[in-house]
Amino acid sequence: SQQGEEDPQALSIQEGENATMNCSYKTSINNLQWYRQNSGRGLVHLILIRSNEREKHSGRLRVTLDTSKKSSSLLITASRAADTASYFCATDAGNDYKLSFGAGTTVTVRA
Amino acid sequence: KAGVTQTPRYLIKTRGQQVTLSCSPISGHRSVSWYQQTPGQGLQFLFEYFSETQRNKGNFPGRFSGRQFSNSRSEMNVSTLELGDSALYLCASSSSGGFYEQYFGPGTRLTVT
Repeated sequence: SQQGEEDPQALSIQEGENATMNCSYKTSINNLQWYRQNSGRGLVHLILIRSNEREKHSGRLRVTLDTSKKSSSLLITASRAADTASYFCATDAGNDYKLSFGAGTTVTVRA
Repeated sequence: KAGVTQTPRYLIKTRGQQVTLSCSPISGHRSVSWYQQTPGQGLQFLFEYFSETQRNKGNFPGRFSGRQFSNSRSEMNVSTLELGDSALYLCASSSSGGFYEQYFGPGTRLTVT
């Protein structure tokens, strides 16, 4: 079973618009990460936020974490066609040396 | 630095056969993790190795096994293949595993017929 659920499952936006996706998880975590996957290829790490952090920025990416609600959001600003991909949140909890992934959000950016 | 490499990239096997997949981590990385990705189950954790020791194993049958060598390269083996084993198998490496970002390889696409 997966730790996280992502919402929405799919998102279609116009180039230049912002894209927001959410992730909810079930148990306490140490860290939450976001990954991008292009068309069935390997995952690329985007950003990591620790459980004691509330917000983090990296370029056009903004991640928030609300541990009281067990949820996180990823905002991509000024989207580009190259942002078309699936986005996954992943959590790790304790010393279990594994990532638990959400189901992913598929983002399509239209030119 | 070279990224994580996985071989082979594509594989077609018949039910009942066995398969071995290989993963070479980024130089200096000692943790290697394996994940199975399918449309129905998503990304599922298989196992994680650090310095040749398995530190965690996911909820998969005993047909799935793995190992890590002294040079941190890792292999996973699936015996008695079933149709449901068709998936993208992803390997990831990190400096310690779990608490830091994982660097993923391109995956091995296994098709079982």
